[in-house]
Amino acid sequence: GAGVSQSPSNKVTEKGKDVELRCDPISGHTALYWYRQSLGQGLEFLIYFQGNSAPDKSGLPSDRFSAERTGGSVSTLTIQRTQQEDSAVYLCASSSGYGQPQHFGDGTRLSIL
Amino acid sequence: QKEVEQNSGPLSVPEGAIASLNCTYSDRGSQSFFWYRQYSGKSPELIMSIYSNGDKEDGRFTAQLNKASQYVSLLIRDSQPSDSATYLCAALEAGTALIFGKGTTLSVSS
Repeated sequence: GAGVSQSPSNKVTEKGKDVELRCDPISGHTALYWYRQSLGQGLEFLIYFQGNSAPDKSGLPSDRFSAERTGGSVSTLTIQRTQQEDSAVYLCASSSGYGQPQHFGDGTRLSIL
Repeated sequence: QKEVEQNSGPLSVPEGAIASLNCTYSDRGSQSFFWYRQYSGKSPELIMSIYSNGDKEDGRFTAQLNKASQYVSLLIRDSQPSDSATYLCAALEAGTALIFGKGTTLSVSS
């Protein structure tokens, strides 16, 4: 597609459930990033993929968060045993390579009840 | 803790004026800087990137970088009501993670 595609656009779930968020990067972009944006916290980095490997996972807030990327394309961010503080907009970005400008998708708005 | 600092605003300018947005960053090792525009309820949109000291112009936008002062700015000439948004300054850390400021809200009145 022309841009970064994320799904679902909105997700409401109960505390304690697992959720999966999907990101399809711009065609040909080898680098993929996950961020989250919550009220009062701004945008924070979660994880970076180059191809299928994740050399930088430093931003994942706890071991409940994991991500994978397959085929050098689609990525899934999984949050296990969700907590209310996980409520945020989860944004995916991609770039053509290391150090290049990052372009964001529309995000997934996650609400934990 | 590596940080990017921005004045939260709001910055209010009349239509046609120049809007000046500023940020400072803490990590002297940062080499690449970006300005994103974010409309309410939308995702960030890249508007400018700058990598070397000096000015970079693109249409009505000019980005300025001073690495000695660890200072980045964005000038918007001939401001339009459609420019009203939150502007996010970001520094690239180790070539991977963007470190974002909290953003400056710009309001352009007609």
